[in-house]
Amino acid sequence: DGGITQSPKYLFRKEGQNVTLSCEQNLNHDAMYWYRQDPGQGLRLIYYSQIVNDFQKGDIAEGYSVSREKKESFPLTVTSAQKNPTAFYLCASSTFPGGQNTGELFFGEGSRLTVL
Amino acid sequence: AQSVAQPEDQVNVAEGNPLTVKCTYSVSGNPYLFWYVQYPNRGLQFLLKYITGDNLVKGSYGFEAEFNKSQTSFHLKKPSALVSDSALYFCAVRLTGTASKLTFGTGTRLQVTL
Repeated sequence: DGGITQSPKYLFRKEGQNVTLSCEQNLNHDAMYWYRQDPGQGLRLIYYSQIVNDFQKGDIAEGYSVSREKKESFPLTVTSAQKNPTAFYLCASSTFPGGQNTGELFFGEGSRLTVL
Repeated sequence: AQSVAQPEDQVNVAEGNPLTVKCTYSVSGNPYLFWYVQYPNRGLQFLLKYITGDNLVKGSYGFEAEFNKSQTSFHLKKPSALVSDSALYFCAVRLTGTASKLTFGTGTRLQVTL
């Protein structure tokens, strides 16, 4: 089935450790996105990529890093520089928005990171 | 700049009654508008979108939304609510014909009770 797979579903981390969240899509979408969700704050964009080997910072990129070496994959690393990393992380993909493409997002099931 | 406002943090409805979840937007041009639903500890699911044409858009699970350009609104509606509709609902906007990012509202929690 086509879709977006995020792993792991739940992750626990000690302070000072980096962790990497996986996101894979088989929808042949050009664009991929990482969002952070905190209670009462909606979705905040961390990073996005509209093409392989290129990505841009979103609204809250500090303390995070990404790579886009393959069209299907867009892993997110939460570094020790992120001061408050406990959150629900959502990966999404879309066709490249513009022209006739409405660019609606398709989301994975999310990864919940808890820092102990 | 583009923005979305969802003025209600929570909407409470009795099962069988009609429901409305409000959304207003601001964009300098013609918008694409979207509604998504999120169940606990799950990703967002696409419900419906407005592109152009008919102002009443029908989507999944019996939901529909009405685009009102003069009021810059895109309210989500359902004629008869179900307990299983209880979830978090997000409105989103994008400027048409551009590669602009999708901007989300802060979400409205819908609680449907028996």
